[in-house]
Amino acid sequence: GAGVSQSPSNKVTEKGKDVELRCDPISGHTALYWYRQRLGQGLEFLIYFQGNSAPDKSGLPSDRFSAERTGESVSTLTIQRTQQEDSAVYLCASSDTEGGAEVTEAFFGQGTRLTVV
Amino acid sequence: TQLLEQSPQFLSIQEGENLTVYCNSSSVFSSLQWYRQEPGEGPVLLVTVVTGGEVKKLKRLTFQFGDARKDSSLHITAAQPGDTGLYLCAGEDETSYDKVIFGPGTSLSVIP
Repeated sequence: GAGVSQSPSNKVTEKGKDVELRCDPISGHTALYWYRQRLGQGLEFLIYFQGNSAPDKSGLPSDRFSAERTGESVSTLTIQRTQQEDSAVYLCASSDTEGGAEVTEAFFGQGTRLTVV
Repeated sequence: TQLLEQSPQFLSIQEGENLTVYCNSSSVFSSLQWYRQEPGEGPVLLVTVVTGGEVKKLKRLTFQFGDARKDSSLHITAAQPGDTGLYLCAGEDETSYDKVIFGPGTSLSVIP
C-alpha cells in the first residue's frame, strides 16, 4: 500500500480479554516500530524490529505485551489480559533504514485507539 | 540509553505571535528530526537536521541544530491556527540499536 496501515482503528475490549493489533508497513521498509501514546502525551517506545528480528524490546511494559513480525512485513502487537491502564493509542511506524549519518524518515499509521472497559 | 527532553510541554498563544520550542539531550545525536502530530493522526516529518549549527527554513518555521549536536530549536513566526498540534523531536539512539526515539513533545495551541 501507499502508507502504513493499522487495524482496527478503534477497539473497545473488556478488562481481562486479549487483543491483537495489526500493522502493515510500507512495502520494503526494514524497520518497524510500535509506540504507545496516552491522551495528551508523547510517544512511548515499545518495540523495534529490523526485518523479523526484534533487537530492542525494552519498551514493552510487562510480559502481557508481545509482538511479532513475519515476512519482513506485517506485525502484530498482542496484549494479554488487558487492564484499564492499557487504554491508549498504539502507533506503528516503518522506515527504510540505509545507515549513514542521517536518520531516515519514519512513516506512521493512524494508530489503533484501544479502550479497556 | 539516549534521552530527548522538550520544553515547554504546553504552549498556548494568540494568532500572529512568535514562539520557540526546544529539544535537548545530554548526549550527541548524529541528526535530529522534527515531527508534527495533529489530533487523530500519526506524526508527520517536518525536517531533518544533520550538521551542527545547521539552520533550515520551512515557510514560517525555522529549525536549528546546536553546534554540539545535543540540542535543536523550532521557531515559528506569526503563528496560525493551522500550526496547532504536538511537535515532537526525534533521533536515533546510537547506544541502543539505532532505534528512533522521540521526545515527549510540545503541545501547541494557536488561538484565533
